[in-house]
Amino acid sequence: GESVGLHLPTLSVQEGDNSIINCAYSNSASDYFIWYKQESGKGPQFIIDIRSNMDKRQGQRVTVLLNKTVKHLSLQIAATQPGDSAVYFCAEETSYDKVIFGPGTSLSVIP
Amino acid sequence: NAGVTQTPKFQVLKTGQSMTLQCAQDMNHEYMSWYRQDPGMGLRLIHYSVGAGITDQGEVPNGYNVSRSTTEDFPLRLLSAAPSQTSVYFCASSYLGQGTEAFFGQGTRLTVV
Repeated sequence: GESVGLHLPTLSVQEGDNSIINCAYSNSASDYFIWYKQESGKGPQFIIDIRSNMDKRQGQRVTVLLNKTVKHLSLQIAATQPGDSAVYFCAEETSYDKVIFGPGTSLSVIP
Repeated sequence: NAGVTQTPKFQVLKTGQSMTLQCAQDMNHEYMSWYRQDPGMGLRLIHYSVGAGITDQGEVPNGYNVSRSTTEDFPLRLLSAAPSQTSVYFCASSYLGQGTEAFFGQGTRLTVV
């Protein structure tokens, strides 16, 4: 069935290092992917998105990479800061009205 | 601009009680949805709506009802609460169509005892 999953449930990085959060998806027909950040006690917030006709998209300190061949998505955070500590979700839009979320990766930044 | 507003933030129910979780958005979004978030399971879609008067079931609809009488409001009803419904509930809204960012409320933490 359809699924979106993450390879690492938890990730600890030193402040200033780069972080990489991975995600696997199974629906090859999905054409839109989103990364959300959820801070403790808050709802998820949009970080960055990418369409299936792209391999890479960059934002401010964040980059999303999409490898359609192996159905893999990753979020790279440059120069990780304490404020980046949160749970990160990848989400896969399988149709105009259906989005599937992965289980989330908890990122902990060590000062 | 308030965005998506959920009430209440916290609620404790006894098994068998009913209640309604409120959700309102002021962005004129067509699409609204309810998710529940459980540890290690991400966000699972309960019900969604693509416009006033239209609702549909998501992945885990059992035990929940919704209605959409206006564009702004999308309440979630628990008719007879069960301990398995203990969770954090999030409401989200977005423009309709593929490739649109969803805006989430702050969540309602529900405990059923």
